[in-house]
Amino acid sequence: DAKTTQPNSMESNEEEPVHLPCNHSTISGTDYIHWYRQLPSQGPEYVIHGLTSNVNNRMASLAIAEDRKSSTLILHRATLRDAAVYYCILKRNNDMRFGAGTRLTVKP
Amino acid sequence: DAGVIQSPRHEVTEMGQEVTLRCKPISGHDYLFWYRQTMMRGLELLIYFNNNVPIDDSGMPEDRFSAKMPNASFSTLKIQPSEPRDSAVYFCASSPGAGTSSEQFFGPGTRLTVL
Repeated sequence: DAKTTQPNSMESNEEEPVHLPCNHSTISGTDYIHWYRQLPSQGPEYVIHGLTSNVNNRMASLAIAEDRKSSTLILHRATLRDAAVYYCILKRNNDMRFGAGTRLTVKP
Repeated sequence: DAGVIQSPRHEVTEMGQEVTLRCKPISGHDYLFWYRQTMMRGLELLIYFNNNVPIDDSGMPEDRFSAKMPNASFSTLKIQPSEPRDSAVYFCASSPGAGTSSEQFFGPGTRLTVL
């Protein structure tokens, strides 16, 4: 299985941008890069996904390296409600394997 | 849209008892997934269904675990007999379509404690 590597934890100040990195050097050509987040005591929540090009939606942006071996989830202005565990996942068909994720702490 | 509904939200039972967890997926979604989350192992995919048919149950830990989907709006995950190591949060998720780009919508989870 293709694996992802993320920092265990990161901190950010409220209303500042946050860049959450993910390494996936064994990604295959058909793997999509998905990001989910899990707020305390809730189920995971979809954030964004992409294949090769950078992607933007109302929640975040996803920047994908040209060789696809890494990606970065960008939260443009972190709020206290963005404090969560963020998972970077390589999705192949319906197989979605969660790693340990990055625990994001947002300081007021 | 009510989202994915799971019941019960919390379950406390004694070792050896049967436990049944329930899930109602989002209407119109063809895929249903069961996950388990523990501190030690994180989030693990147990089984998933497509159009009520089990497709991949390779994540089911052992024969004590079974899952059914009798119709498009209901699924159960049963543990019989339950053991303390089954204590975890169990999530159900549904997805509108197949494939690599589809997102999954998760329910709030059932926190199971086996004493």
